[in-house]
Amino acid sequence: KNEVEQSPQNLTAQEGEFITINCSYSVGISALHWLQQHPGGGIVSLFMLSSGKKKHGRLIATINIQEKHSSLHITASHPRDSAVYICAADGSNYKLTFGKGTLLTVNP
Amino acid sequence: NAGVMQNPRHLVRRRGQEARLRCSPMKGHSHVYWYRQLPEEGLKFMVYLQKENIIDESGMPKERFSAEFPKEGPSILRIQQVVRGDSAAYFCASRRGTPYNEQFFGPGTRLTVL
Repeated sequence: KNEVEQSPQNLTAQEGEFITINCSYSVGISALHWLQQHPGGGIVSLFMLSSGKKKHGRLIATINIQEKHSSLHITASHPRDSAVYICAADGSNYKLTFGKGTLLTVNP
Repeated sequence: NAGVMQNPRHLVRRRGQEARLRCSPMKGHSHVYWYRQLPEEGLKFMVYLQKENIIDESGMPKERFSAEFPKEGPSILRIQQVVRGDSAAYFCASRRGTPYNEQFFGPGTRLTVL
């Protein structure tokens, strides 16, 4: 069983919709990361958070340490948001344990 | 400040050859991580290095794989006698060190074994 679980695996939305991707983890962590990967592309770090909430443009990330749960929200989604979104938990030595990713497709 | 550099971006090898993947961390970063992304699978940790030291290699296959991060120069991930199952994207990430623990990823090296 993967220690980091994401849902949904695939998500299709219409432009402008509000998107939520969920992440649950079973390990003790020092921080939770949200990453973005375009098909065939590199990995971009969106957020690193250990408590509360962070916002960057149309992206919002929240974490509940007690419930071991984090969410990534995208407001007013746009086709350019189409990508794989990956959550990852910081473990010992800060090495990351990754979820399997959520493939988001935003249609115009 | 240049980001994490990896080269080559694409590498094609025949079975039995050696593959050398290089990673130059961001300036001022002394911690390097290697991760592997197999086709249709998620990313997996391979090895964590600091300058001249392997700190954690719990994710490295027991044979054919080795990594180093010398005092000078890039970190190297070396795969000897490659097999088709080694075909994957290999990403490195670097971080500065506590309390600056965010990891920054390189663009990856896509290894194809024929």
